[in-house]
Order: sequence, then C-alpha cells, then structure tokens
Amino acid sequence: GENVEQHPSTLSVQEGDSAVIKCTYSDSASNYFPWYKQELGKGPQLIIDIRSNVGEKKDQRIAVTLNKTAKHFSLHITETQPEDSAVYFCAAMNYGGSQGNLIFGKGTKLSVKP
Amino acid sequence: GAVVSQHPSWVICKSGTSVKIECRSLDFQATTMFWYRQFPKQSLMLMATSNEGSKATYEQGVEKDKFLINHASLTLSTLTVTSAHPEDSSFYICSAERLDSVEQYFGPGTRLTVT
Repeated sequence: GENVEQHPSTLSVQEGDSAVIKCTYSDSASNYFPWYKQELGKGPQLIIDIRSNVGEKKDQRIAVTLNKTAKHFSLHITETQPEDSAVYFCAAMNYGGSQGNLIFGKGTKLSVKP
Repeated sequence: GAVVSQHPSWVICKSGTSVKIECRSLDFQATTMFWYRQFPKQSLMLMATSNEGSKATYEQGVEKDKFLINHASLTLSTLTVTSAHPEDSSFYICSAERLDSVEQYFGPGTRLTVT
C-alpha cells in the first residue's frame, strides 16, 4: 500500500522567510496530493492540492511542486507570517483506484517567529 | 463553500456509556464521508469510510461493533462510540468528499473524554 514520508517534523523560521516542507510517496499510482493546515484543537483545512498531470501550482504565498519521477512533492510558503504557525500534513491518494483513501504524512509543526 | 460541521465539539462521558457524534456537510452533498481518529501530536488515522445508504467500510483493527457508523443522507453521517472506555478518549474528525470530486473537507473535530 501507499506510504507517505514527511520532513521535517518541526520547522522554525523567522517572519518573512520562506518555509519548505517535503513529502515522498511510494505508490506510483497515486495521482492526487493535497496539503492540509491544522491549528491546535481544530480540524485540518485544505490549503492547496495538486494532481499528477501538473508539476506546479501556486496560490498567493503558497505553492506546491510535484516530481512524479522521483515521487516527491513539496509545499512552499513564502513571506511567512505568525498566523502560518500550525501543523501541516501532506497526503497522497489514488483517486479512482481501488485504494481511494488519503494516506497522510506524520505532519510538520511550523513555527513562525515574529 | 465546502463547510463541514461536527457536533458536539467536545463531550465528556462515563465509562460504559455510548456517545454519538454527528458530521454534516452544510453547503454541499457528500456521497462519501470519512471518520478519523487523532492522538495528540500524531497524524490522522482513518477509521472507516461511509457511503450514503450503504454499510461503512472499516479499516483493519477498528471494531465495527464498537464504532457504529450511519450515513443516512447525503449531508449527514454519525459515529456512535458504544460502551466507551478511557482508551477511547481521543480527537475524532470527520471529512466529506464532494459529489463527483476528489477534495475532502474536514470538520472541526470532536474531543471525546471518557472518565
């Protein structure tokens, strides 16, 4: 089955700097890769996603890149702000396949210091 | 759009009692809803997948007689924790998949504490 590895587990940056979180997946059939932001005591919030037919997607300060050959994808946050502090989860899924469930990474706790 | 609610947001119950958690998609229809469990500082663990009008599919190791799931409509799924024990204390989160779409939207979670 699918396995998703996420690094780093914790990340501390200064306000205004960029943050990068990386994930690798094992199942080449996975074709959907969302990123979620989870604040303390709340449910995960979908912040951006990418499908396997696209190499990069950007939404304001957030971007995601996908390398299908290497089976890894990354989240990039530019001009970080204190409100970006949260736990971020990557996930992978074979949408339309027999294993159509999200497989999550273990999460990255991002701290943005003012 | 794509708002999912859960009720209650937190609940404390005594050991041996049952607790029902509701998950609603407020502004879209969801043929599939998912129930997750999350321990402190850990990732989400999928418990079961429920499709409207059919029996839920449980992940390996999840007791279907203990965690009863009902998905009676395209906007409501319920999880009932039966005969709760302290080890069932956890953060339970549901998600809903939009009709004919891949995106999953999560509810705010329910904190269950069993004393």
